[in-house]
Amino acid sequence: DTAVSQTPKYLVTQMGNDKSIKCEQNLGHDTMYWYKQDSKKFLKIMFSYNNKELIINETVPNRFSPKSPDKAHLNLHINSLELGDSAVYFCASSPQGDTQYFGPGTRLTVL
Amino acid sequence: GEDVEQSLFLSVREGDSSVINCTYTDSSSTYLYWYKQEPGAGLQLLTYIFSNMDMKQDQRLTVLLNKKDKHLSLRIADTQTGDSAIYFCAEISGGFQKLVFGTGTRLLVSP
Repeated sequence: DTAVSQTPKYLVTQMGNDKSIKCEQNLGHDTMYWYKQDSKKFLKIMFSYNNKELIINETVPNRFSPKSPDKAHLNLHINSLELGDSAVYFCASSPQGDTQYFGPGTRLTVL
Repeated sequence: GEDVEQSLFLSVREGDSSVINCTYTDSSSTYLYWYKQEPGAGLQLLTYIFSNMDMKQDQRLTVLLNKKDKHLSLRIADTQTGDSAIYFCAEISGGFQKLVFGTGTRLLVSP
């Protein structure tokens, strides 16, 4: 009965590969987000979707492409992975404009 | 601009009170939040305060808000070793409700 879930929890891959991280929420929320936490624990928003429409795109390289097949899912696809993409990626969801609830995170390591 | 500042470290003894401070910049923020992150774990919502409130108490947690100085604090009474974690304050910024996080305060509670 996890509210916001992410898969995989850990992802180790080589530079240049393409990978996806999946996020699902069963809270019935309208808005979903992706945040990136770097090695210094700094958290920054990447994207936000509201009812499957992109509403925030924070100058993220276009190698990152979010996809929202429906209101309950927001996946993150990353092309041509680089060393600097290594981080923990958090998905979150909220009722529109309200408190955000976070998933457990996906630790991406690019070798 | 968006800039949320916190002190990086706080060390206390078990049973003492802990006070974690935060300064924010967006005076239009409607809500301010405190999240807790334990090692290797996701972000847990601890509490939040609406911008028209000065104080909110929730069991061992007390949040104080000084809107004039844009200062937010989190007091943890009777701090326990299980409270050791990184604590993030966050403000809601902009029309699209993105969370802007502080740099995080690492709280270490010693027995």
